[in-house]
Amino acid sequence: GNSVTQMEGPVTLSEEAFLTINCTYTATGYPSLFWYVQYPGEGLQLLLKATKADDKGSNKGFEATYRKETTSFHLEKGSVQVSDSAVYFCALSAVTGANSKLTFGKGITLSVRP
Amino acid sequence: GAVVSQHPSWVICKSGTSVKIECRSLDFQATTMFWYRQFPKQSLMLMATSNEGSKATYEQGVEKDKFLINHASLTLSTLTVTSAHPEDSSFYICSAPGTYQETQYFGPGTRLLVL
Repeated sequence: GNSVTQMEGPVTLSEEAFLTINCTYTATGYPSLFWYVQYPGEGLQLLLKATKADDKGSNKGFEATYRKETTSFHLEKGSVQVSDSAVYFCALSAVTGANSKLTFGKGITLSVRP
Repeated sequence: GAVVSQHPSWVICKSGTSVKIECRSLDFQATTMFWYRQFPKQSLMLMATSNEGSKATYEQGVEKDKFLINHASLTLSTLTVTSAHPEDSSFYICSAPGTYQETQYFGPGTRLLVL
């Protein structure tokens, strides 16, 4: 079956540090890949997505590239801010479309110190 | 943007009682909603797909008689945990598909504690 593996957390960084959060997946076919973010007290929000190999999703300074050869979708940001403190979830869906089921990783908590 | 709300956000109940959790799409209609469950430091696990006007579709291993789902209207789905036990204590999250980037909109979650 499909699965998503995220690096263990939590992660604590100083403001303006470089961020990498690793995510690898197992799936048949060509899944769509997502990063969701959950700020304190709020629901999960889509951060970025990629639907095919070598696609790069980007938003709010975050980037992730769909690497089929390494089955990875690592999240990066060059300079984190305190406001980036949240829980980040990597996810996949086997088919495109909002009605498709999502498979999530465990999530990782990011704390950014001023 | 589209908003999904959940009520209550926090509930504590005694073992053996039933608890109802509501999921509402506030400014859009949703013929489908998803219910997830999340244990501490674990993934969100899809429990069931709620379909307006028809029966819910449950994932393998989820007891349909234990977790009753009713999709009463295009903006409301409810999850009832019947005869709750301490092992049902968890974080329950709902989502509804949206048109923006073909993704889902998530509610803030409901934390259930069964004593």
